[in-house]
Amino acid sequence: AQSVTQPDIHITVSEGASLELRCNYSYGATPYLFWYVQSPGQGLQLLLKYFSGDTLVQGIKGFEAEFKRSQSSFNLRKPSVHWSDAAEYFCAVGAQDRAAGNKLTFGGGTRVLVKP
Amino acid sequence: ETGVTQSPTHLIKTRGQQVTLRCSSQSGHNTVSWYQQALGQGPQFIFQYYREEENGRGNFPPRFSGLQFPNYSSELNVNALELDDSALYLCASSSVSNTEAFFGQGTRLTVV
Repeated sequence: AQSVTQPDIHITVSEGASLELRCNYSYGATPYLFWYVQSPGQGLQLLLKYFSGDTLVQGIKGFEAEFKRSQSSFNLRKPSVHWSDAAEYFCAVGAQDRAAGNKLTFGGGTRVLVKP
Repeated sequence: ETGVTQSPTHLIKTRGQQVTLRCSSQSGHNTVSWYQQALGQGPQFIFQYYREEENGRGNFPPRFSGLQFPNYSSELNVNALELDDSALYLCASSSVSNTEAFFGQGTRLTVV
């Protein structure tokens, strides 16, 4: 069975500082990996995704993530955080299903607080 | 291109009642998935509908059921509501050609 672990429940970072959110997954084959962001009371917005190819993927809002198969990790990074990046971030792994869309397994989330 | 829309936004139900949540998928998408997000947790997969049939189910009891209509919109029904069913219910649509899932804003269900 697939699973996702986000070891950090909360992270506080100063505005302008760099941010890295950790994600470890368990999946039997090559995974589809995603990072989503959720603002309070809102749905999920996709930041970036990895299906295959280049292991460093670029996303929206200046985020990037690196897939490391040997470490079963897909960590999210941003070089310089803005106050608007304060939100909850979810890593997810998708079960490949060619007949339909992905069924996602999410981690528990990391809440990011940004200090002025 | 319209996004994924869910209704209602919020509702309050009494334990033991039944509830129906609705989701309109994004234009061109034929797959709808439902997720339950309890407070402070990540979303959990409930089930997925593809071409009007259930295509996979998570660890949820049979009192959670769904439908998908010919226009690919979907309903989630929950019978015999329990207090633990209080959560944000998220709908996501996707298509065979694009495995990215697009989420709606969710329905906040409170069971009292």
